[in-house]
Amino acid sequence: DADVTQTPRNRITKTGKRIMLECSQTKGHDRMYWYRQDPGLGLRLIYYSFDVKDINKGEISDGYSVSRQAQAKFSLSLESAIPNQTALYFCATSDAMGTSGTDTQYFGPGTRLTVL
Amino acid sequence: SQQGEEDPQALSIQEGENATMNCSYKTSINNLQWYRQNSGRGLVHLILIRSNEREKHSGRLRVTLDTSKKSSSLLITASRAADTASYFCATGRSQGNLIFGKGTKLSVKP
Repeated sequence: DADVTQTPRNRITKTGKRIMLECSQTKGHDRMYWYRQDPGLGLRLIYYSFDVKDINKGEISDGYSVSRQAQAKFSLSLESAIPNQTALYFCATSDAMGTSGTDTQYFGPGTRLTVL
Repeated sequence: SQQGEEDPQALSIQEGENATMNCSYKTSINNLQWYRQNSGRGLVHLILIRSNEREKHSGRLRVTLDTSKKSSSLLITASRAADTASYFCATGRSQGNLIFGKGTKLSVKP
């Protein structure tokens, strides 16, 4: 079984709908991240969480919210989806020590989201 | 804000040749990492080099880091068709998170 799983893998929705993307991990890592990937732009950090009680905004958090339900689960919500949120979304985990999130990250398979 | 920039954006070589990709960055770092992404799939960590290291090897991969020039290179020797993927560098600073570049798309033709 994969260490980092994401559901759904593909989703097509309409403008204005609320969408939740889910991420689960069995690696036992404290740190979890949500990224989006757009063609030609690489990965950009949306939100990150260093433990269950710690949630932080990343580079592009506007229009998104997150919930860390447990050490193993980190969900990303789009409260009112818009077309420019069409992208590939990745969850990642890391088992870093210290105050920065710069150690090796382990990625899920991604969720391809299309907002019409 | 992009910290690392890979060069070239795309690279096409024949199987058996070596592939070299470069990454330049702007601010001081704790470490630099390289990841591979097969088309539309999750990123896979390849190698991490710390700021006090100059070279690191892992199988057919060789990474160099020149902190004075703020640059790194990834060399894949004796490339195979299965190496076809996008390769990203990611820089880590003492405070903050990894910042990924835009990637180099490598195509290895059989």
